Amino acid sequence: QKEVEQNSGPLSVPEGAIASLNCTYSDRGSQSFFWYRQYSGKSPELIMFIYSNGDKEDGRFTAQLNKASQYVSLLIRDSQPSDSATYLCAVNKGGADGLTFGKGTHLIIQP
Amino acid sequence: KAGVTQTPRYLIKTRGQQVTLSCSPISGHRSVSWYQQTPGQGLQFLFEYFSETQRNKGNFPGRFSGRQFSNSRSEMNVSTLELGDSALYLCASSLAPSGAYEQYFGPGTRLTVT
Repeated sequence: QKEVEQNSGPLSVPEGAIASLNCTYSDRGSQSFFWYRQYSGKSPELIMFIYSNGDKEDGRFTAQLNKASQYVSLLIRDSQPSDSATYLCAVNKGGADGLTFGKGTHLIIQP
Repeated sequence: KAGVTQTPRYLIKTRGQQVTLSCSPISGHRSVSWYQQTPGQGLQFLFEYFSETQRNKGNFPGRFSGRQFSNSRSEMNVSTLELGDSALYLCASSLAPSGAYEQYFGPGTRLTVT
C-alpha cells in the first residue's frame, strides 16, 4: 500500500464549478497535512495546511481532514483556468521523516 | 521577505562526476529539507537539516550527502553521478523541523546527467 495516494487524473472541471481533490494516507500516526500546487516546470507552492480534524478555509480553498478515515481533501470553489495545475498532497508522519508526497492529481479547469 | 533561493538553476554533468547544489532558506528559517523530483518516482525526501545537524535521511544511497552552515544555508552533494540522478532537486525551508511547521520550496535545480 502506498503511503500517500492520490488519483492521478486528469480531473476536468468546468470554470466556476467546485473542484474536489482527494488524498488518503496509510500511517495513522500522521500529524500534519499539506496541499501544494505545482505548475508545469515550476516548483511546488504551498496553498493549504491542516493539522486538526475538520475544515479549514482560506479564500476559495477549503482543506478537510478526517483522521479516523485517514483522508484529506482540498476543495477549490469558483474554479478558474489559472487553477489548472498538479496538486500534491503531502503528509508528515511526525518526527524527522520529512514530508511524504503523493504523486499528485492533474487538474484541468475548462473555460 | 525573499523566498528560498537555489543555485545553480540548471546543471549538466557527465556520469562519474560530482555536483554541489546550494540552498538559501527564507530569512529566519532554520530548517532546510532536500527533495528529489522525477516523473517516475515523484517527490522523494532526501534529508533535513536543523541547527547544522542532519535530522534524518530518506532512502537514498550514500552518494547523496549534505550539510548546513551556521547561517542556515545548506548544500547537497552527489558524488559519482549516475544517469538516474537526473532530476529536479528541490530544497524547502521551514521555521523549525518540518514536523511542526510548513515548508516552502525554492525554484529547484534541474540536474541532467549525460
